[in-house]
Amino acid sequence: GENVEQHPSTLSVQEGDSAVIKCTYSDSASNYFPWYKQELGKRPQLIIDIRSNVGEKKDQRIAVTLNKTAKHFSLHITETQPEDSAVYFCAASRNFNKFYFGSGTKLNVKP
Amino acid sequence: DAGVIQSPRHEVTEMGQEVTLRCKPISGHNSLFWYRQTMMRGLELLIYFNNNVPIDDSGMPEDRFSAKMPNASFSTLKIQPSEPRDSAVYFCASSLGAGNEKLFFGSGTQLSVL
Repeated sequence: GENVEQHPSTLSVQEGDSAVIKCTYSDSASNYFPWYKQELGKRPQLIIDIRSNVGEKKDQRIAVTLNKTAKHFSLHITETQPEDSAVYFCAASRNFNKFYFGSGTKLNVKP
Repeated sequence: DAGVIQSPRHEVTEMGQEVTLRCKPISGHNSLFWYRQTMMRGLELLIYFNNNVPIDDSGMPEDRFSAKMPNASFSTLKIQPSEPRDSAVYFCASSLGAGNEKLFFGSGTQLSVL
């Protein structure tokens, strides 16, 4: 099966700085990579996703990059704000069936 | 649409008791997933259904766990008998399926087995 590894487990940045979270996956057939944000006590919510036929996708302050050859993908948050503080999960899926999640990154944005 | 609806939000029970968690997927969604979240193991896929049929239950930890989806708008996850190590947050999620991949999560059930 797929194995998704996520780093770092915790990340602390100053407000306004950028944050980068990285994930690697093992199954070269995985073709869909979503990112979820989970605030304390709440449900994971999709913030951005990318398919394997695209190398980069951007949505305002959030961007995701995918390197299929190296089997890794990253989440980039620019101009971080305190409300970005949460746990972020990456995931990988083959043909949108089973979703395998990374272990999560706790992001703390210090005002 | 109200999104994926789970009940109860919190469940406290004693070891050995039967626990039933419920989920109503988003109307029109064909795929339903049950996940368990713990600090140690993160988000684990337990089972998923497509068009009410269980497709993969390889993540179900033991025979004490069972899941059903009698119709397109309802699913249950049952633990019998429950054990303290089952304590976790259980999420239900649904997606349209058929190549439409976005996964939507319910609010989760916080289960505590004493």
